[in-house]
Amino acid sequence: GAGVSQSPSNKVTEKGKDVELRCDPISGHTALYWYRQSLGQGLEFLIYFQGNSAPDKSGLPSDRFSAERTGGSVSTLTIQRTQQEDSAVYLCASSLWPGPATYEQYFGPGTRLTVT
Amino acid sequence: GDSVTQMEGPVTLSEEAFLTINCTYTATGYPSLFWYVQYPGEGLQLLLKATKADDKGSNKGFEATYRKETTSFHLEKGSVQVSDSAVYFCALTGNQFYFGTGTSLTVIP
Repeated sequence: GAGVSQSPSNKVTEKGKDVELRCDPISGHTALYWYRQSLGQGLEFLIYFQGNSAPDKSGLPSDRFSAERTGGSVSTLTIQRTQQEDSAVYLCASSLWPGPATYEQYFGPGTRLTVT
Repeated sequence: GDSVTQMEGPVTLSEEAFLTINCTYTATGYPSLFWYVQYPGEGLQLLLKATKADDKGSNKGFEATYRKETTSFHLEKGSVQVSDSAVYFCALTGNQFYFGTGTSLTVIP
């Protein structure tokens, strides 16, 4: 079946602009995760959605970052007033409930964001 | 807080050599431990996992044992192949999700 998809695959934006990154999880996966992978760094957890529960936003680096998940499926990560340090690959993953301790996370191909 | 520390790369080995990639962790409670792999041009995928102390995860000839006494989850393979060339990430799931910085492995014929 279809895996996790993300769009766009590449995004170049000017400093100060807002960007939206989209993630389509695997159908039936109730858990959805966003990570950021900066050059030379590991994956940095950003936010976690689990079913209808309130999302775990504890990894968001600043209030310029927000995410929503509509209808328990598609998710959008929004970065407002982008800064050069936001340049990274943004990865989305999904899994079955109750989450990665029990079920594998399936990762999308990522969106490479470049802020100029 | 929780964290994962893995061996710095890059690692270059000849085909059929023995591989060890070290991973140690710090966690409160009892996390699950994972190795993910990213092949060139592909997304991350789960390689193996262990959910409790002394469990051994294995897949594709790779193994890792959850060692609570040494807080380690080292990845091993007895005989690497060119097709194993990839970036390997150690990860921990506790209260949050933590990944290591990745170790790049290149296997040369």
